[in-house]
Amino acid sequence: DAGVIQSPRHEVTEMGQEVTLRCKPISGHNSLFWYRQTMMRGLELLIYFNNNVPIDDSGMPEDRFSAKMPNASFSTLKIQPSEPRDSAVYFCASSLGPDQPQHFGDGTRLSIL
Amino acid sequence: QKEVEQNSGPLSVPEGAIASLNCTYSDRGSQSFFWYRQYSGKSPELIMFIYSNGDKEDGRFTAQLNKASQYVSLLIRDSQPSDSATYLCAVINTGGFKTIFGAGTRLFVKA
Repeated sequence: DAGVIQSPRHEVTEMGQEVTLRCKPISGHNSLFWYRQTMMRGLELLIYFNNNVPIDDSGMPEDRFSAKMPNASFSTLKIQPSEPRDSAVYFCASSLGPDQPQHFGDGTRLSIL
Repeated sequence: QKEVEQNSGPLSVPEGAIASLNCTYSDRGSQSFFWYRQYSGKSPELIMFIYSNGDKEDGRFTAQLNKASQYVSLLIRDSQPSDSATYLCAVINTGGFKTIFGAGTRLFVKA
């Protein structure tokens, strides 16, 4: 079975540019999560969706970050405008339900110059 | 107080020994507890999950949960060098099913 698929794997861009990260969850999973991981702050939950509806976005750092899930098989995390402090590894994960084990994608390593 | 606390380590054990990883959490009503393993440069992968007080065993891994003490642990028996990784404890809180990860414990298994 295909796991969680994220793209791109790596992104390097200049400060001020728009960045869009993409995620395809495991088929049949109803919950989708976006995380950010840095050495300083560890793994932080940014937002999660249940049945395509955003449930908790309290972890989204600021208005420059937005996330959408237009259907059950696709989600995006957008940063506009990007800043150097946004540099991190961003993971997408999915699960059968919000309290079930999560399966992680390979992550997107984002560098903002 | 952090919501989920782990000793950052590193925890170093000889090959064949038992590695004991510990995690405490602050939300007394939490119901779901997970252990993930993360190799350097890779994504977290699920090792164990536990919902009820007591022990849960899967191969060389045992998860232990004590809700009264707000404590969850992971034991790795017959540790192997391939077990060397960072182990992340995750707890889902009672309000809104938000997942909180600990900072992780780095484990080194010496051959």
